Amino acid sequence: DAGVTQSPTHLIKTRGQQVTLRCSPKSGHDTVSWYQQALGQGPQFIFQYYEEEERQRGNFPDRFSGHQFPNYSSELNVNALLLGDSALYLCASSSGLVVNTGELFFGEGSRLTVL
Amino acid sequence: RKEVEQDPGPFNVPEGATVAFNCTYSNSASQSFFWYRQDCRKEPKLLMSVYSSGNEDGRFTAQLNRASQYISLLIRDSKLSDSATYLCVVSQGTYKYIFGTGTRLKVLA
Repeated sequence: DAGVTQSPTHLIKTRGQQVTLRCSPKSGHDTVSWYQQALGQGPQFIFQYYEEEERQRGNFPDRFSGHQFPNYSSELNVNALLLGDSALYLCASSSGLVVNTGELFFGEGSRLTVL
Repeated sequence: RKEVEQDPGPFNVPEGATVAFNCTYSNSASQSFFWYRQDCRKEPKLLMSVYSSGNEDGRFTAQLNRASQYISLLIRDSKLSDSATYLCVVSQGTYKYIFGTGTRLKVLA
């Protein structure tokens, strides 16, 4: 049973560039949430996708956008990269039909460095 | 004020010690509460849910005080393998989970 997979695992970009990160949820899950984790901080909620729609959004600028595909996989796009966007980006999958069980399954993350 | 606040630590304790972590949350409408564990450079994983009645899982005990908006985690008989960052998590619905900064624990031989 494949868990949550993310790609790429590491990447380096320069300021002003754009990046796309990808996530495949755990088998049987239909909901994908994205989090940003800066060094020494807890994960910060970016947004959640369910049924190909953004269902909830955290306090992130419009430079952060996403998409969910019919197979439930998801992409996170960040435009006009800033130095402060350097972080570990975590994808978490869950089942939209299960309410508040707490079990978010995380991928290993994509570590983005912006120079 | 942060929505979920934790003491970042680090807590350095000897093997066999009992250690307690605390967490406070600001939104009284919060519905569900959890502790996640995150090892260095790894992804967070669910440790346990937290209920008002308190719950225990082996050496780990979690408590919730809704009136004080306070959550705790107690680890008894600490093992070297317990060394990690412990993240307090609060949910205000199905969609949004708020993570604290995390408390670092190092168990010393």
